[in-house]
Amino acid sequence: QKEVEQDPGPLSVPEGAIVSLNCTYSNSAFQYFMWYRQYSRKGPELLMYTYSSGNKEDGRFTAQVDKSSKYISLFIRDSQPSDSATYLCAMTNYGQNFVFGPGTRLSVLP
Amino acid sequence: DSGVTQTPKHLITATGQRVTLRCSPRSGDLSVYWYQQSLDQGLQFLIQYYNGEERAKGNILERFSAQQFPDLHSELNLSSLELGDSALYFCASSLTSDGQETQYFGPGTRLLVL
Repeated sequence: QKEVEQDPGPLSVPEGAIVSLNCTYSNSAFQYFMWYRQYSRKGPELLMYTYSSGNKEDGRFTAQVDKSSKYISLFIRDSQPSDSATYLCAMTNYGQNFVFGPGTRLSVLP
Repeated sequence: DSGVTQTPKHLITATGQRVTLRCSPRSGDLSVYWYQQSLDQGLQFLIQYYNGEERAKGNILERFSAQQFPDLHSELNLSSLELGDSALYFCASSLTSDGQETQYFGPGTRLLVL
């Protein structure tokens, strides 16, 4: 079993849809959870950052962490064609190791 | 633009060779991280340096080494290159060392080993 699992997609949605992206993980030591967006051939860009369990909202993005289920989610509301990218979940245990999911490729169709 | 710079952008070399990738962190950032991204392995954490000292180690091969210099720039050395080392290599930087805040990624170096 991989340390972090993520559906690779591709996921295609119409413009304006709500997108749900998810990751599961196996290491209960992870405390900090991030979501990155990566456009083709570019460096990843941090979208959301949460500590331990709970929800965090930033504009059209909401991140959820459920440590008891070892499950994290990213929701994108009112999705736009410019949201088309690969979304990577990532997590760390106080900076001792950084593990990324394989990424979900999202296409938002106009 | 994240403020992290990486050189070169592209590198083509042959098996068995050695290359050096360079990274300059954002102004004020003390931590530098190196990652390898390949199609089959995704983004893999290699190694982290904080203020010149090795801070954390991930899936870095023995053929690979890194260092961070007093001016905080970092170099990743890849030796005895194999075809499977072809990948995108990213550098990221952050202010502190404990992973509690944003890592800013550079544009990457695309390495092709022929």
